[in-house]
Amino acid sequence: AQRVTQPEKLLSVFKGAPVELKCNYSYSGSPELFWYVQYSRQRLQLLLRHISRESIKGFTADLNKGETSFHLKKPFAQEEDSAMYYCALSTGGYNKLIFGAGTRLAVHP
Amino acid sequence: KAGVTQTPRYLIKTRGQQVTLSCSPISGHRSVSWYQQTPGQGLQFLFEYFSETQRNKGNFPGRFSGRQFSNSRSEMNVSTLELGDSALYLCASNLSPFYNEQFFGPGTRLTVL
Repeated sequence: AQRVTQPEKLLSVFKGAPVELKCNYSYSGSPELFWYVQYSRQRLQLLLRHISRESIKGFTADLNKGETSFHLKKPFAQEEDSAMYYCALSTGGYNKLIFGAGTRLAVHP
Repeated sequence: KAGVTQTPRYLIKTRGQQVTLSCSPISGHRSVSWYQQTPGQGLQFLFEYFSETQRNKGNFPGRFSGRQFSNSRSEMNVSTLELGDSALYLCASNLSPFYNEQFFGPGTRLTVL
């Protein structure tokens, strides 16, 4: 079965600390993975996609097919990073996403 | 460029009624997807439309239906509402099914009493 697991509901860190939001997936095909973010009172928006191997706002994520993971990392958290983060798996095309339950990141001053 | 718009933003209905939600995609986008978001189940894919054709459908009962018009605007309909249908319904648009970024609307908050 296709599934995305984000084991942490809440991740609380201090400003300047490293951050790692975990994401594991289950999919028999070739995975396409994304991280979406929702800041307070804003819409859900794409943060990054694994295929682009990009770094956005200091965040990176590497697809590890052996461990079926796509963890999101940032070396130094900022207060403005506080938001809800969703890992998503694309199946059957890019517009059919399976989302994880989400992790709320709280960065404290 | 205006973002994805959804109307109405809030809706209160009673059990057994039906409801229609509307989504206007970003200009030039031809693909529209719908998702249901609840505290218990999270974000779940409902269906996807491209060029007025349903391309994919999620695991929802037949009470949930949708359509897309020639101007790419989309509607979803839920008939015989149940309490469990209370949710935030999100619409997302994309240039096409082959472009890997969806743009989400603000959602319609449906409450079923």
